Amino acid sequence: AQTVTQSQPEMSVQEAETVTLSCTYDTSENNYYLFWYKQPPSRQMILVIRQEAYKQQNATENRFSVNFQKAAKSFSLKISDSQLGDTAMYFCAFMKRRTGNQFYFGTGTSLTVIP
Amino acid sequence: GAVVSQHPSWVICKSGTSVKIECRSLDFQATTMFWYRQFPKQSLMLMATSNEGSKATYEQGVEKDKFLINHASLTLSTLTVTSAHPEDSSFYICSASGPIGDTQYFGPGTRLTVL
Repeated sequence: AQTVTQSQPEMSVQEAETVTLSCTYDTSENNYYLFWYKQPPSRQMILVIRQEAYKQQNATENRFSVNFQKAAKSFSLKISDSQLGDTAMYFCAFMKRRTGNQFYFGTGTSLTVIP
Repeated sequence: GAVVSQHPSWVICKSGTSVKIECRSLDFQATTMFWYRQFPKQSLMLMATSNEGSKATYEQGVEKDKFLINHASLTLSTLTVTSAHPEDSSFYICSASGPIGDTQYFGPGTRLTVL
């Protein structure tokens, strides 16, 4: 079974500063995907970033980047130059690399960006 | 591309009635769709996985006679909450697996309130 752990229920960061959200996972799979999703107050799940496990290079999307440590089964999200619109719940998710496979979600981290 | 819609976005019903929620993939064919339930400030809980043309697979603890899922076509899955009770009040989210199977696309969710 796959498990995803987010150990930070709540975090806050000053606007324009950098924050890192933690995520660890447990799996015996070798091929899989990892995701960070953002859920703002509208509750629409928005894909922030995706990492393929077989790629060693860390994924980056503008102000969002990950630190993927496969051996340590760690997948943290770094948000640079935090903006007020980054305030949201952030979920880490795991998916086996196969069509139609389910997501395994972490419990989420509530991030508040303080003006 | 890869847009998933849900209808309705918000529904209020009386206890004992049934409610149907539709999930549509608008610009791609979804062989697999997923239904989640989310309580306030909690993570997404997978209820069931549905594949087009076959019976849904329910997660442990989810009553299949209570939550009827039909995936009649490659673009439409429906969740019917039968004989709804106040404890069924929640936020329901669907997602669809893309043709490559490398991610899921989420609908905007449906807020169900049972009086």
